Amino acid sequence: EVQLVESGGGLVQPGRSLKLSCVASGFTFSNYGMNWIRQAPGKGLEWVAYISSGSSYIYYAETVKGRFTISRDNAKNTLYLQMTSLRSEDTALYYCATGSFDYWGQGVMVTVSS
Amino acid sequence: DVVLTQTPPTLSATIGQSVSISCRSSQSLLHSNGNTYLHWLLQRPGQSPQLLIYLVSRLESGVPNRFSGSGSGTDFTLKISGVEAEDLGVYYCVQGTHAPPTFGGGTKLELK
Repeated sequence: EVQLVESGGGLVQPGRSLKLSCVASGFTFSNYGMNWIRQAPGKGLEWVAYISSGSSYIYYAETVKGRFTISRDNAKNTLYLQMTSLRSEDTALYYCATGSFDYWGQGVMVTVSS
Repeated sequence: DVVLTQTPPTLSATIGQSVSISCRSSQSLLHSNGNTYLHWLLQRPGQSPQLLIYLVSRLESGVPNRFSGSGSGTDFTLKISGVEAEDLGVYYCVQGTHAPPTFGGGTKLELK
């Protein structure tokens, strides 16, 4: 069974940092590009970042470029999102999903507030 | 970035009714490799999104065949032939042809 399990979320003050993790199982993680996607409370889906299977290609949404860093460790079947200089508008449920959006995690909540 | 415009934003239906959702793109989603990377997702209340249709019209494994997708270029449609209670939620189209990937604004399907 395919599973994507996110962790690392929580309440953080503006300007601080947080690192999200997504552990994959049930499929060959190293063969898949991966996305981070977020959903602000009551809002739609917003793509955040993408990393190719071998980390050669990385893309970011303009809203997070320069503040967020996507990375992966294929030996650990884990995807990461390092978030710095957090803002209130980064408050959202963060999902990891495969490159073609066929598998999604359950999401992890990030709340940026003083 | 490619803009995907979904209509209607809200859809009220009775059980058994057939409904359609439109997704229009600001530019053609036909990739140079011949594929069209337009997919449909359903997010049920309190759940993560799930893939229903990929590459315009291909049904994801396990998805009932009352769901169908069609379209080409810039105009795409998701049809549900006979709505069931479990179909309620928000439907999103998403494109992967042009970087970055972008989502439509969503269509909320609710019971009339």
